[in-house]
Parts: sequence; structure tokens; C-alpha cells
Amino acid sequence: EAQVTQNPRYLITVTGKKLTVTCSQNMNHEYMSWYRQDPGLGLRQIYYSMNVEVTDKGDVPEGYKVSRKEKRNFPLILESPSPNQTSLYFCASSSGMEYIQYFGAGTRLSVL
Amino acid sequence: QKEVEQDPGPLSVPEGAIVSLNCTYSNSAFQYFMWYRQYSRKGPELLMYTYSSGNKEDGRFTAQVDKSSKYISLFIRDSQPSDSATYLCAFPDAGGTSYGKLTFGQGTILTVHP
Repeated sequence: EAQVTQNPRYLITVTGKKLTVTCSQNMNHEYMSWYRQDPGLGLRQIYYSMNVEVTDKGDVPEGYKVSRKEKRNFPLILESPSPNQTSLYFCASSSGMEYIQYFGAGTRLSVL
Repeated sequence: QKEVEQDPGPLSVPEGAIVSLNCTYSNSAFQYFMWYRQYSRKGPELLMYTYSSGNKEDGRFTAQVDKSSKYISLFIRDSQPSDSATYLCAFPDAGGTSYGKLTFGQGTILTVHP
């Protein structure tokens, strides 16, 4: 089954404790992206990657890091989480030839 | 001015009603128009995708695009409780350094009650 898998689904952490949210896709897609979703603000892009070792900032990259060492994986790293990063996070992927993005089920993060 | 404006609702309608969901946009470079549906505790999934102005039908759903007014709509006929979800309009960037990026509206929360 074609899918985008994020882990964990739920995470509660404390300010300053480094964390990683993993994302993996099995569709051989070149393009992967991270979004955060907040009430009243919709989905905003954090970082995206157009292929292995190619990443770039989206609209709200501050406080986040990403890496793309393998085509299927695109982890999101919060080196020093803060309460304003409490949000619902989505990973998405698409092939280079179409604009349709396929989303994971989401990771709900709470930073205390 | 926001690049995309979408009425956040919430919208509550009885079963069988016709629902109209709308977005306006300001970026003339947008050439593709999408509607995503997001059920509670799930990721968004593509519902409809259109390129040109005019109407596109898919079952009970009709996507309408008016490029001259920079306005898109999604109509749901004979709405069902299973249509209860958040609906997001989305606009892919078709070129340049932001290739593939999706710009989303804020989402409209729809509840269809029996």
C-alpha cells in the first residue's frame, strides 16, 4: 500500500529537549515536505526537499532542521523545542511530475 | 493581503443540503487548483484537482474555477454525514525555486448532521 508514515503520532516533551519526527514514504517520490497546521492559520510549509541532499526553507523554517540522506526518508529535527512549536505536523510527498501531495497521518506535538 | 483567503466557518448543514465552499487568491501565477479533504485526526487527502477555468464534476462534487476573478469554489450536492470534514483549497507553485510547494487556505470545517 502506497503511504507516508510518520512517527510518533503523539509526542509530549519539555522545552529544550531535542527531538526528531521521522517520515518515510514508499512511493519512490522525489519531493518531500513538512507542514505545520495551527488553528486559523491552515497548513504552512516548514521545509521541503526536491531530492536526496537537496533541501530548502519553506515559509516557517525557524527552529527546525531537516535532512534528506535517502530518498524515502525526511526527518524533521527540533534541536531546542519551544512552546510556540506546539502544533500538528504533517509530512507529505509527491513525484516530480505532478503536484499532488500525499500526506502522512500527522504528529501532534506538545512542548511544555 | 493574504495570498489565499478561505472562510474558516464552521459550517453546519442538514443532510441533503447543497454546500458551497469558496476561496479567493491573489497570485496570478497559480495555474492549478486543488481541494483537499481532511477528516478528524487524519492527514489531508486530495479530493479534486483542476487546471482550467470552468467546472469539473466528480460524483456529488463540483469544482468551479474563475481565473478572471481569482475565485474557486467546491460544491457538494446531497451532502452526507460522511462529508463532515475540513476542506482546504490548495494552489501548487508550478515553477521557479518553489516548484511543488502547496499554498493552502485556512480550511473550512463542515458538519453535516442527519
